[in-house]
Amino acid sequence: DAMVIQNPRYQVTQFGKPVTLSCSQTLNHNVMYWYQQKSSQAPKLLFHYYDKDFNNEADTPDNFQSRRPNTSFCFLDIRSPGLGDAAMYLCATSRDPELYNEQFFGPGTRLTVL
Amino acid sequence: GQNIDQPTEMTATEGAIVQINCTYQTSGFNGLFWYQQHAGEAPTFLSYNVLDGLEEKGRFSSFLSRSKGYSYLLLKELQMKDSASYLCAVGDSNYQLIWGAGTKLIIKP
Repeated sequence: DAMVIQNPRYQVTQFGKPVTLSCSQTLNHNVMYWYQQKSSQAPKLLFHYYDKDFNNEADTPDNFQSRRPNTSFCFLDIRSPGLGDAAMYLCATSRDPELYNEQFFGPGTRLTVL
Repeated sequence: GQNIDQPTEMTATEGAIVQINCTYQTSGFNGLFWYQQHAGEAPTFLSYNVLDGLEEKGRFSSFLSRSKGYSYLLLKELQMKDSASYLCAVGDSNYQLIWGAGTKLIIKP
């Protein structure tokens, strides 16, 4: 089945220790997104890639970076996690948002910062 | 600014009907989506409206009025498994989805 996969599902890190979250997709979609979602809040868009074109949201902290080495994979790097970065990180894809922007989500990675 | 408003929480009884409202103010409009999100899980797609009117899909229906900036999600014959958060999201002029904070729906026996 075509899908969006995220690893790991649960990540525990220490304050200030870099962490990388990964996402892969078998849907062959053009666009990949990284969202941060805290409890009872709306998903907050951090980055998106339209093919290889990187788009950084204006209010995404510099502590967050992203890489998309190929169509299928995308990574989220948190250089120095703080307690406020504890959240669910959601990866999503869409085929062509200008035509129809249904987004398909992976299961998420829940990040805990100690 | 861009804004999506939904009630924070609603409670309903198993077997009943519930309507979850969403109002929006966005720069441009490229469709409105409803997603279901169970606690600790990712959002899953429920419905899409781009023209005014009602879209029905089984027990779930979604309505849109673009002139009023308003949508609702109607859930019929509620089941315990419908306990979840329901997120409204609107496509803006940049083809990004603007998300509401979600409505937590609690179903009681």
